[in-house]
Amino acid sequence: DAGVIQSPRHEVTEMGQEVTLRCKPISGHDYLFWYRQTMMRGLELLIYFNNNVPIDDSGMPEDRFSAKMPNASFSTLKIQPSEPRDSAVYFCASQTDNEQFFGPGTRLTVL
Amino acid sequence: AQSVTQLGSHVSVSEGALVLLRCNYSSSVPPYLFWYVQYPNQGLQLLLKYTSAATLVKGINGFEAEFKKSETSFHLTKPSAHMSDAAEYFCAVSRSGSARQLTFGSGTQLTVLP
Repeated sequence: DAGVIQSPRHEVTEMGQEVTLRCKPISGHDYLFWYRQTMMRGLELLIYFNNNVPIDDSGMPEDRFSAKMPNASFSTLKIQPSEPRDSAVYFCASQTDNEQFFGPGTRLTVL
Repeated sequence: AQSVTQLGSHVSVSEGALVLLRCNYSSSVPPYLFWYVQYPNQGLQLLLKYTSAATLVKGINGFEAEFKKSETSFHLTKPSAHMSDAAEYFCAVSRSGSARQLTFGSGTQLTVLP
């Protein structure tokens, strides 16, 4: 198995632009998580899905952030419009049993 | 609510020396506890987990951790550090019966000196 796949690995954009981060979970995993990692705030859970349904989005910072999971093999995290304070590494993880498997992350820089 | 505190944001050890990374948790219910490792520019990888079975948990790469309820601790140890152990280590907690909503500590950067 290729593990959790995220794209792009790096994204540089200008303030005000729309950003879409993508994630392909491990096949057969029924939970999917989006995290954000920054120096100031550490690792934060943004939202998670179970069987493609959003369960808890209380960690989503603002309405500018949205996440979807149209099917079991794909999820997106969208920021519109982006702001410099959104600069961070965004991780996707999928879960089976009691273990979450993390993707390599997308490093987002908003200028 | 659950939380974890990792004591020491940076730890340095000599190669071959004991590694001890500290984690204390707070939980209103029996917790599940985890240690993850993050190498530069990579995602987090699970080292080991405690899910209410044996209190001494053995993980990958020679690491182990002991759940001590009386001390609310879950410290990570390795008898002999290797250069390849240099990374950032995260302790995490979740409600028992669910490893879904993990709360992570702030991380400890481990440096291994030659």
